[in-house]
Amino acid sequence: AQSVTQPDIHITVSEGASLELRCNYSYGATPYLFWYVQSPGQGLQLLLKYFSGDTLVQGIKGFEAEFKRSQSSFNLRKPSVHWSDAAEYFCAVSDQYNQGGKLIFGQGTELSVKP
Amino acid sequence: EPEVTQTPSHQVTQMGQEVILRCVPISNHLYFYWYRQILGQKVEFLVSFYNNEISEKSEIFDDQFSVERPDGSNFTLKIRSTKLEDSAMYFCASSEDRQPTDTQYFGPGTRLTVL
Repeated sequence: AQSVTQPDIHITVSEGASLELRCNYSYGATPYLFWYVQSPGQGLQLLLKYFSGDTLVQGIKGFEAEFKRSQSSFNLRKPSVHWSDAAEYFCAVSDQYNQGGKLIFGQGTELSVKP
Repeated sequence: EPEVTQTPSHQVTQMGQEVILRCVPISNHLYFYWYRQILGQKVEFLVSFYNNEISEKSEIFDDQFSVERPDGSNFTLKIRSTKLEDSAMYFCASSEDRQPTDTQYFGPGTRLTVL
């Protein structure tokens, strides 16, 4: 069955430190991969998405993610975290055959930022 | 920037009561979705809706659930007879079209509490 795993439920990093949030997927078809962020009281906002081509994708707010097919991973990175990045981050997957538009989400990783 | 809105932000109801959750998608979007997140669990797809009919639904979306686009702007999720296990955050989303590559824009969610 299709699934997405985010192994880290909660991560704390210091402001200015680098960040990597992990995402692993199990998917038979070629996956379409997404990272969303949810700040308190807000909806899920798309950070970036990958469909094909260059495996390193750039997103908003200085985030990037790298698709590694051999590892079934799509980890999210940021070189220097800001206090405003504290939020919950969701990895999600779909595919080209999914005409219903269904996204399958991971559990989410809550990011806390220390001053 | 256009956004998806949802009302109410929090709904408390008694078990067995009917509830209607309301969403206003982005105005030029054609594809609509409902997801839910039970506390501590993954965001789960419920249903997608296109051209005034359900495009895809999950196993969760049984006969107790229905969706409707009663006018040109609202998109509603009705739960006919609520159960305790329906307590969750319900997210509405919309996208411009039905392609899997189209970004889904999410609302802030409605927290449903069933007592």
